[in-house]
Amino acid sequence: GAVVSQHPSWVICKSGTSVKIECRSLDFQATTMFWYRQFPKQSLMLMATSNEGSKATYEQGVEKDKFLINHASLTLSTLTVTSAHPEDSSFYICSAERDRDTQYFGPGTRLTVL
Amino acid sequence: EDKVVQSPLSLVVHEGDTVTLNCSYEVTNFRSLLWYKQEKKAPTFLFMLTSSGIEKKSGRLSSILDKKELFSILNITATQTGDSAVYLCAVDNYGQNFVFGPGTRLSVLP
Repeated sequence: GAVVSQHPSWVICKSGTSVKIECRSLDFQATTMFWYRQFPKQSLMLMATSNEGSKATYEQGVEKDKFLINHASLTLSTLTVTSAHPEDSSFYICSAERDRDTQYFGPGTRLTVL
Repeated sequence: EDKVVQSPLSLVVHEGDTVTLNCSYEVTNFRSLLWYKQEKKAPTFLFMLTSSGIEKKSGRLSSILDKKELFSILNITATQTGDSAVYLCAVDNYGQNFVFGPGTRLSVLP
């Protein structure tokens, strides 16, 4: 099956620093990738849709200047949490679209901001 | 290697039918198994299962976990067209990461 990886798996940082999370599709090319954030009670919130070669599409309420997304190639999208604060601590999960309407999820990145 | 397998990958039924979706897993540090329904954007959380043999129910949906045999099933009775979606199974690897299955695409025809 298709594999999507994320790096790092777990990151702890100080408040005010920036953190970059990578999402890679290992065995297929993905024009579109998605970034999610997990909230309490296991709900997943879609943050943005990352499109290769163009600007990401952010969901309402998500600050695009705080959560920078770059989809530099067909196999890599990055999410940078700028000036992270403790309230940004969460699980960030990406998925990559292989075929239309078929997404493969990454294992998630746990961000802890002290 | 941690993995989650779902079957079938695709299923087409008619309204009123009952369906059973399967999820089996092999992970290093099982904490819980989660079921999601994905229609368009973010997956919608359905159930979290942590204990074997205890059925969770929500309307026409129910799910149960077998930690000995390492699988879970999601049942949908009296299906409706609005149940058409991709149903995702994910295992929480004790807070270290999530392992998602490939999903089962359910299509309910009128």
